[in-house]
Formats: sequence, C-alpha cells, structure tokens
Amino acid sequence: AQSVTQPDIHITVSEGASLELRCNYSYGATPYLFWYVQSPGQGLQLLLKYFSGDTLVQGIKGFEAEFKRSQSSFNLRKPSVHWSDAAEYFCAVGLSGGGADGLTFGKGTHLIIQP
Amino acid sequence: GAGVSQSPSNKVTEKGKDVELRCDPISGHTALYWYRQSLGQGLEFLIYFQGNSAPDKSGLPSDRFSAERTGGSVSTLTIQRTQQEDSAVYLCASSSTLAKNIQYFGAGTRLSVL
Repeated sequence: AQSVTQPDIHITVSEGASLELRCNYSYGATPYLFWYVQSPGQGLQLLLKYFSGDTLVQGIKGFEAEFKRSQSSFNLRKPSVHWSDAAEYFCAVGLSGGGADGLTFGKGTHLIIQP
Repeated sequence: GAGVSQSPSNKVTEKGKDVELRCDPISGHTALYWYRQSLGQGLEFLIYFQGNSAPDKSGLPSDRFSAERTGGSVSTLTIQRTQQEDSAVYLCASSSTLAKNIQYFGAGTRLSVL
C-alpha cells in the first residue's frame, strides 16, 4: 500500500524568508502527487499536482514543487512567504488521483509565520 | 453550486445517537469521496462513489457507518450509535469525469460526540 511521510510536524519561518516543506512517498509505481493547503475551519485547497512530464510544477499562490523519482520526494517550495501562508499543508498521493483507492495523505505540516 | 457544500458545518451529539452528514458536490461531478480527519489518524479515505455506486466500502471504519448517494448528486454519510472515537471532521470531495484526478473539497462537518 502507498504511504506518505511529512517529516516536519511544525515549521516556523520568518515572513519574507524562503520555505521548503518535505514529502516522501512509498509506492510501487510513479504515483499522482498533490499538495493541499488547509486554513483553520476550511476544507482542503489544491495548491499543485504532478502527474507526468516536467518534474518542476508550478501552483497557485507562488508555490512550486519538484518531483524527484530517485528520492521518492515531492517537496514544496516558495521563495518568499507571506503571513497569509500560515496554514496546514498536506502532501497526498493517488493511484490515479482518485477512484476506489482515494488519496493517501501525509500527517501534515503546520506552517507558522513569524513577523 | 460553486463548490462542494457540506452540512451541517458543526454537529454535537450524544453518545449512542445517530447522525447524518450531507455532501452536495460540484454540479456535474460524477465522483464523490468521503474522508475523515482526526487528530490521531490524520486524513483517512472512507469511501468513493462513481455515480450512485460505491464499489468498495471496506474503508468505512465499522458497520455503524454507511453512505449513500442518490441521483448522482447529494451524498449522505450516516453514523449509527455514535461513539466518542467518531469525533472528527468529515470531509467530502468531488471530481469530474474529464478531470477525475483533481478532487475539490468541502469545508467539512465537525462532529463532536459527547
């Protein structure tokens, strides 16, 4: 079965600093990969996705992620964070992005922005 | 509608009572998913509907949980004889046939079992 590991439960970053959130997956083939963001009391919003092709994908809100097959990683990055980026971030994998198996999520990384 | 709508947004119930959680997917989306988000378990996939059919119900935590979808639209997740461990946020998502890899989530129903 597939699994997703987000090794950092909490990350604190100063406003304006760069950000990298780590995600490692375990899967028999190249999965479909996603990053979602969840603000308090809100549902999950899709930031970006990787299915195939260019391993560097761009998303909304200035985020990007890089798929590295050799490391089974899909790390999320942002060059300069804003206070509004404070939220919970989830990495997810899917067999086909949905279907009978649904998505498998990591435990999440809580991002705190310092002024 | 413009997005996935879930109701109620919050539900407080007493142990042993039955509850129904509702999900109204994005109009035209054929696939619908239920997830549970709890502190101990993170986000767990519960069940998937393609149209009105759920091919695999093994993700439901126990036989107290059931789900149905009618008319290819609204879905209801029912929990019978609620227990304290059922307290969680229940999230619904939907996706379209053309872009079935992309799931759009509702804001969830926060269930508290006292």
